[in-house]
Amino acid sequence: RKEVEQDPGPFNVPEGATVAFNCTYSNSASQSFFWYRQDCRKEPKLLMSVYSSGNEDGRFTAQLNRASQYISLLIRDSKLSDSATYLCAANTGGFKTIFGAGTRLFVKA
Amino acid sequence: ETGVTQTPRHLVMGMTNKKSLKCEQHLGHNAMYWYKQSAKKPLELMFVYNFKEQTENNSVPSRFSPECPNSSHLFLHLHTLQPEDSALYLCASSVGQGEQPQHFGDGTRLSIL
Repeated sequence: RKEVEQDPGPFNVPEGATVAFNCTYSNSASQSFFWYRQDCRKEPKLLMSVYSSGNEDGRFTAQLNRASQYISLLIRDSKLSDSATYLCAANTGGFKTIFGAGTRLFVKA
Repeated sequence: ETGVTQTPRHLVMGMTNKKSLKCEQHLGHNAMYWYKQSAKKPLELMFVYNFKEQTENNSVPSRFSPECPNSSHLFLHLHTLQPEDSALYLCASSVGQGEQPQHFGDGTRLSIL
């Protein structure tokens, strides 16, 4: 089983839609979680950190479910510019952060 | 401008060449990382340095040799690479340990002929 697992997608949604991604992690000792956004042929950029039950930043909401060992990312009112690959990551302490392979999102007009 | 700068952006080299990738961070972070990203695969952690001391070597072949002269600079020396080493190599930095997010450079796209 992969340490951090994501549905690769792609998710194809119309502008204005709400879309949610899930990410499961296998190590119950994981404490810190992150969502990154990666555009084609670019570097990952931090979208949100998820330290406790969850947090919200504008149209983006991240939630953590420790009992079921998953984190989710909800994007409301999708924009064309939201099209990207979304990576989740989990850290168990120390310097080793494990990344998922990413979920691709296409937002269409 | 990401605060983490990598050079070169693109590199094509033969299997017998020796080249080096460079990373510089201007964020005052203490930890620096090298990752390999192949198509449709997760980022693979290669090396971690904290205050210029190596803390992680993720079973990386010896044809990859890291160097960290100080907390702001990180190098990856390449020698006798294989075609399967073609990938995007990303440098990142962070404050403290993994509980803090990492900031990535633009990456070096490496092609081995």
